[in-house]
Amino acid sequence: DAGVTQSPTHLIKTRGQQVTLRCSPKSGHDTVSWYQQALGQGPQFIFQYYEEEERQRGNFPDRFSGHQFPNYSSELNVNALLLGDSALYLCASSLGARTEAFFGQGTRLTVV
Amino acid sequence: QKEVEQDPGPLSVPEGAIVSLNCTYSNSAFQYFMWYRQYSRKGPELLMYTYSSGNKEDGRFTAQVDKSSKYISLFIRDSQPSDSATYLCAMSRTDKLIFGTGTRLQVFP
Repeated sequence: DAGVTQSPTHLIKTRGQQVTLRCSPKSGHDTVSWYQQALGQGPQFIFQYYEEEERQRGNFPDRFSGHQFPNYSSELNVNALLLGDSALYLCASSLGARTEAFFGQGTRLTVV
Repeated sequence: QKEVEQDPGPLSVPEGAIVSLNCTYSNSAFQYFMWYRQYSRKGPELLMYTYSSGNKEDGRFTAQVDKSSKYISLFIRDSQPSDSATYLCAMSRTDKLIFGTGTRLQVFP
């Protein structure tokens, strides 16, 4: 079982650019959630995808958008990057409405 | 006031000690409670998942939930240097997880 996989592992972008992060869920899981973790903080919920639709969204601006594909993999897009967007972006997968979530290793985004 | 409060530590203990990690919360609607372990620059790893009040044991780990006091705990017995990590509590009503800030634990030989 490959578990949750995320790509890329690290990324450096310039302020104002756009970025796309990718996630493949654990085998058998159909729900993908994205979290942002700033240094020294707990992860903050961005949004959740189920059946290719955004089911729930946290307190993040519209610059953050996502997509889920028919194979349950997901992308997180961030437009007009700000320095404050520098963080570890985590993808978690789960099965349906179960809250037992498994995380990937994360993508560390640095905005300069 | 944050929905979930967790002492950030750091907590430093000798090998073999019993470690107690705690979180308090304010939202009585939380039903699911989790503990994650996170090593530096890695993703969180699920350690314990509980639904109701009471205790749940898995090897050296025991999770305790007291819904009446809105308080959860994680106990680690016979702590090892490999347990050195940040421990995150998380809780949920239905879908999204609300995390504490994490407690950094260091177990020295």
